[in-house]
Amino acid sequence: DTAVSQTPKYLVTQMGNDKSIKCEQNLGHDTMYWYKQDSKKFLKIMFSYNNKELIINETVPNRFSPKSPDKAHLNLHINSLELGDSAVYFCASSQDNWGTEAFFGQGTRLTVV
Amino acid sequence: GENVEQHPSTLSVQEGDSAVIKCTYSDSASNYFPWYKQELGKGPQLIIDIRSNVGEKKDQRIAVTLNKTAKHFSLHITETQPEDSAVYFCAADNTGNQFYFGTGTSLTVIP
Repeated sequence: DTAVSQTPKYLVTQMGNDKSIKCEQNLGHDTMYWYKQDSKKFLKIMFSYNNKELIINETVPNRFSPKSPDKAHLNLHINSLELGDSAVYFCASSQDNWGTEAFFGQGTRLTVV
Repeated sequence: GENVEQHPSTLSVQEGDSAVIKCTYSDSASNYFPWYKQELGKGPQLIIDIRSNVGEKKDQRIAVTLNKTAKHFSLHITETQPEDSAVYFCAADNTGNQFYFGTGTSLTVIP
């Protein structure tokens, strides 16, 4: 059973398009995250949700909009895609938001052409 | 905010030797320090973590040490094996699961 699953695994799209990445966790965790990993492997948090409520929103362009329909899902919608958005996006979840292990999905490699 | 620095960026060791990766952090409020291993094409996976009230933790061939005064922590892998080859990330958490990751260390274990 996959603990944190995200779809799609690969996404190639043209500049200006709008795309979504879906994430689901079956661990019963309260907190979910989106991280961006750039070409140099640097991992940076984008958003954090606790029980469907946004608790962290790093300096991310407002073209990125997370949506959490329930605490098991956290989707990421990106409008007007730009070349610089190309990266691997990881969804993760943790039991709570106070220093506990984060479980990561397998990543979505987004390529904007 | 927190700033985590990690060294070295690449590390090659012979199988059976030890590997040490070092990280420093800037925010004295950070109290949780996990280490993640990322294999090619996969998401990061926790291998060991340590909290600020502990100075050292060990799990088989892996150990982590923390010096709160100096604000640095290290990962030690003994008796390295080829399957230890991966990218390793340290992280610090200062406000509650807002992990700030180091820049990663690509470890290669040479058989």
